[in-house]
Amino acid sequence: AQSVTQPDIHITVSEGASLELRCNYSYGATPYLFWYVQSPGQGLQLLLKYFSGDTLVQGIKGFEAEFKRSQSSFNLRKPSVHWSDAAEYFCARGGAGNMLTFGGGTRLMVKP
Amino acid sequence: GAVVSQHPSWVICKSGTSVKIECRSLDFQATTMFWYRQFPKQSLMLMATSNEGSKATYEQGVEKDKFLINHASLTLSTLTVTSAHPEDSSFYICSAPRSPQETQYFGPGTRLLVL
Repeated sequence: AQSVTQPDIHITVSEGASLELRCNYSYGATPYLFWYVQSPGQGLQLLLKYFSGDTLVQGIKGFEAEFKRSQSSFNLRKPSVHWSDAAEYFCARGGAGNMLTFGGGTRLMVKP
Repeated sequence: GAVVSQHPSWVICKSGTSVKIECRSLDFQATTMFWYRQFPKQSLMLMATSNEGSKATYEQGVEKDKFLINHASLTLSTLTVTSAHPEDSSFYICSAPRSPQETQYFGPGTRLLVL
């Protein structure tokens, strides 16, 4: 079965510092990969997605992610974190019938 | 702006009552919608796939008689939690795929508290 792993449950960074959130997916055909962000008590907002083509994907809010087939990874990055980026981040993989498989999530905390 | 809406955003009910949650796709049609459940500080767990014009497909371990799903039109799916109990208290989120490339868009969620 397809799976998505986010190794880091919590990450704390200082405001202005760079950020990288890790995501690994189980081996298989070229996956559809997504990053979503969830603020407390709210639904999920799509940050970016990878379907094919350029392996470096630009998203909203200054986020980007790089698909690396050799490492089965799709890590999310941001060069300079803002306090408003504090939230829960979910990596997801698309599958048959448009179903999504989610990672466990990474909670990002931003220190002033 | 939002492309998927949910109503209500939160609901408190007594144990034993039924609660209906609506999920609507705004300005696009969705023959399929998905219902998720999220416990505090946990990831989303897929409960069922709602199919317009046919029966919903439930994930293993999800009671279909407990969580009734009706996909009445191409823009509306409803989830009814029947005879709700405190353990059904959770955050329920729906999603609908939208072209291009069938990206999933999520509703804002419905927080259910059963007393």
